[in-house]
Amino acid sequence: DAGVTQSPTHLIKTRGQQVTLRCSPKSGHDTVSWYQQALGQGPQFIFQYYEEEERQRGNFPDRFSGHQFPNYSSELNVNALLLGDSALYLCASSNRTSVLISYEQYFGPGTRLTVT
Amino acid sequence: TQLLEQSPQFLSIQEGENLTVYCNSSSVFSSLQWYRQEPGEGPVLLVTVVTGGEVKKLKRLTFQFGDARKDSSLHITAAQPGDTGLYLCASRRIGQNFVFGPGTRLSVLP
Repeated sequence: DAGVTQSPTHLIKTRGQQVTLRCSPKSGHDTVSWYQQALGQGPQFIFQYYEEEERQRGNFPDRFSGHQFPNYSSELNVNALLLGDSALYLCASSNRTSVLISYEQYFGPGTRLTVT
Repeated sequence: TQLLEQSPQFLSIQEGENLTVYCNSSSVFSSLQWYRQEPGEGPVLLVTVVTGGEVKKLKRLTFQFGDARKDSSLHITAAQPGDTGLYLCASRRIGQNFVFGPGTRLSVLP
């Protein structure tokens, strides 16, 4: 049973460019959350998708957007990249029912984005 | 916004030693999770605690939730090099997203 997978593993972009990161959730999971983890810090919640809609959003600008597909996979898009967007982007998947109880979530290995 | 503080920020110990790391908040936790993250990997869930005063054990790791549900500790007995990593606590309020602490970076030297 494959866990959460993310692609690409690493990515280098230039300021002002746009980037798309991808995530496939763990089998049986229907909810995907995205986090940004800057170097030396804990993950910060960006947003969560369920039933192809954004359900919750953290304190991130509109340059950050996402999408969830019918097969529950998800994309994170970042427009007009800034140097400060350099970070590890983590995807976490969960089952909706677990959200109501303990919210157990499983993380992928992340995508390391470097903006130069 | 609920903020989580973790201490110490860094910890370097010898194999076989015991250690405790802490997670604190000014607000009451509805539930609290501990994760371990290794370099190049995503966080891996270790435990979820939900009841004040709760104690959970996972092999050499002991997790305690404060009676007032505003603090938690993780105690490792006889640390091993494989315990090296970033230990993160995370909490959420009902209906809200998870908030992570900044983590404690543990290094266990052989």
